[in-house]
Amino acid sequence: KQEVTQIPAALSVPEGENLVLNCSFTDSAIYNLQWFRQDPGKGLTSLLLIQSSQREQTSGRLNASLDKSSGRSTLYIAASQPGDSATYLCAVNGDYKLSFGAGTTVTVRA
Amino acid sequence: GAVVSQHPSWVICKSGTSVKIECRSLDFQATTMFWYRQFPKQSLMLMATSNEGSKATYEQGVEKDKFLINHASLTLSTLTVTSAHPEDSSFYICSEQVGRDTEAFFGQGTRLTVV
Repeated sequence: KQEVTQIPAALSVPEGENLVLNCSFTDSAIYNLQWFRQDPGKGLTSLLLIQSSQREQTSGRLNASLDKSSGRSTLYIAASQPGDSATYLCAVNGDYKLSFGAGTTVTVRA
Repeated sequence: GAVVSQHPSWVICKSGTSVKIECRSLDFQATTMFWYRQFPKQSLMLMATSNEGSKATYEQGVEKDKFLINHASLTLSTLTVTSAHPEDSSFYICSEQVGRDTEAFFGQGTRLTVV
């Protein structure tokens, strides 16, 4: 059974600082890994999708890396802003099923 | 990306009643939809996989007679929580995924409170 762990569980930084969010998974037989953002009481917004054959993906201030063999992914958010405050979830896709981590709750202080 | 519409966004119901949640794909014809449940401060847990025109596949530990899933058309899947109890209070969210290795898109979620 796939186990997904996200560290840290919570993070508070001043505006402008770079954010580093970690995700690890136990079974490397995956199709892809997806990072989501969840605002309180809301659904999930897809941020980045990394296929298993890829090493990283970038979108604006976001960059995600994937090391499938070691079971790790890292989401980098550059120059954080208060609007980046949310919970970030990583999900691993193994055979049409997503396994989620518990998330990292980020607070960016103005 | 795909647009998934889920409603209601929140519902309060009395214990013992049933509640229906709808998940609609607005621009894909998603053969497969997925239903998740999320308790406060916890991760999303897959409840079932919904296939158009066939019976849903439930994850271990999920009561199929309590959580009825219907996927009668390509664009609509419904989850009915039957005889709801306070412990069923949770955040329910659906997603669609066109292919095995494609991006997953989620609805807005439904906050269910059973009183």
